[in-house]
Amino acid sequence: QLLLQESGPGLVRPSETLSLTCTVSGDSITSDTYYWGWIRQPPGRGLEWIGNFYYSGSTYYNPSLKSRVTISVDTSKNQFSLKLSFVTASDTAVYYCVRHLSRKRGSDYWGQGTLVTVSS
Amino acid sequence: QSALTQPASVTGSPGQSITISCTGTSSDVGTYNYVSWYQQYPGKAPKLMIYDVSNRPSGVSNRFSGSKSGNTASLNISGLRAEDEADYYCSSYRSSSTLVFGGGTKLTVL
Repeated sequence: QLLLQESGPGLVRPSETLSLTCTVSGDSITSDTYYWGWIRQPPGRGLEWIGNFYYSGSTYYNPSLKSRVTISVDTSKNQFSLKLSFVTASDTAVYYCVRHLSRKRGSDYWGQGTLVTVSS
Repeated sequence: QSALTQPASVTGSPGQSITISCTGTSSDVGTYNYVSWYQQYPGKAPKLMIYDVSNRPSGVSNRFSGSKSGNTASLNISGLRAEDEADYYCSSYRSSSTLVFGGGTKLTVL
């Protein structure tokens, strides 16, 4: 069974960089077809796509976050990571790592999510 | 403001059918057959219910169905049950390689 697990600090100070890691078990992130990525949800609000990637190098970002976001992959550890720089209170959210059916399609597997609060 | 427009709330009675709409533009829903629907319970991760407009993942009840007409996609739930009460989100691929979501619809089963 495929499992995704987010990890990282639950509290980040304003203007600093948010860093999260997603550990994948039960499947390889180098599997054909699938994309992997991040989606977030501010408390009490809707979902926002952050970005996704294919293990061989193609990466796509939400234009509204593109200047601050980096998604990277470590195939040897079957992990991928999210870095979001210059955070503000509006970046406070539950962050989910997900598997996409393909670059353009829905997400069939989700991590449990991790709450990251931006506060001094 | 979300990229796709959904009603904030929908209410139905057990056994009834309901429809949740998701309105986009010709840059997303109207052009691409990559509309997905998610069900989310409070405090839980979303669950994929429909992908590619009308396909159900394995294990999802056939009471859930999806369709699209023009710039509007729809999720239909038939034979409503108490456990269907949840938030529902639509998403679509949008030109320029992005994915966009609707603001979510709270389904209440009275």
